[in-house]
Amino acid sequence: QKEVEQDPGPLSVPEGAIVSLNCTYSNSAFQYFMWYRQYSRKGPELLMYTYSSGNKEDGRFTAQVDKSSKYISLFIRDSQPSDSATYLCAMSRGGSNYKLTFGKGTLLTVNP
Amino acid sequence: DTAVSQTPKYLVTQMGNDKSIKCEQNLGHDTMYWYKQDSKKFLKIMFSYNNKELIINETVPNRFSPKSPDKAHLNLHINSLELGDSAVYFCASSQEGVIGYTFGSGTRLTVV
Repeated sequence: QKEVEQDPGPLSVPEGAIVSLNCTYSNSAFQYFMWYRQYSRKGPELLMYTYSSGNKEDGRFTAQVDKSSKYISLFIRDSQPSDSATYLCAMSRGGSNYKLTFGKGTLLTVNP
Repeated sequence: DTAVSQTPKYLVTQMGNDKSIKCEQNLGHDTMYWYKQDSKKFLKIMFSYNNKELIINETVPNRFSPKSPDKAHLNLHINSLELGDSAVYFCASSQEGVIGYTFGSGTRLTVV
């Protein structure tokens, strides 16, 4: 079993839809949970992170972590064509300067 | 001004050749990384350096040798290239006290 599992999709939704992206993990030592967005032919960029369990909201994006289920989610409200990208979950045991373990990424297309 | 820059962006080379990829960050970060992203978009850590000292060395063939001349630079030298080395190689950096990495835009290596 891989440490981090993520459904690679692809996921295709109409503009304005609510998108739900998810990852599961097996290592209970993970404390920091991140979502990265990667546009085609570009490097990943950090969208948001959460420490331990709980929710975090940033504009149209909401990240949720359920450590008891080892399950994390990213919700995108009112999705836009500019949200079309690969979304990667990533996790680490520490906050900074720690190794990140990534999921395989989910390719999202938002159709106008 | 690019925060994490990699050169070259594209590299096409024959099997058996030796090649180098260079990375420079101007963010003042103290830790740098090399990640490999395969054709299925899976990002896996290879190496990590903190202030020129190697701190993470994952299970990577010893044909791959990182070098950090100073904390702003991390280069990757690959000997005797094989077809399976074809991938996108990302450099990243991070700073103590700040969550997440800043990635470069990647070097697309194709071995023919």
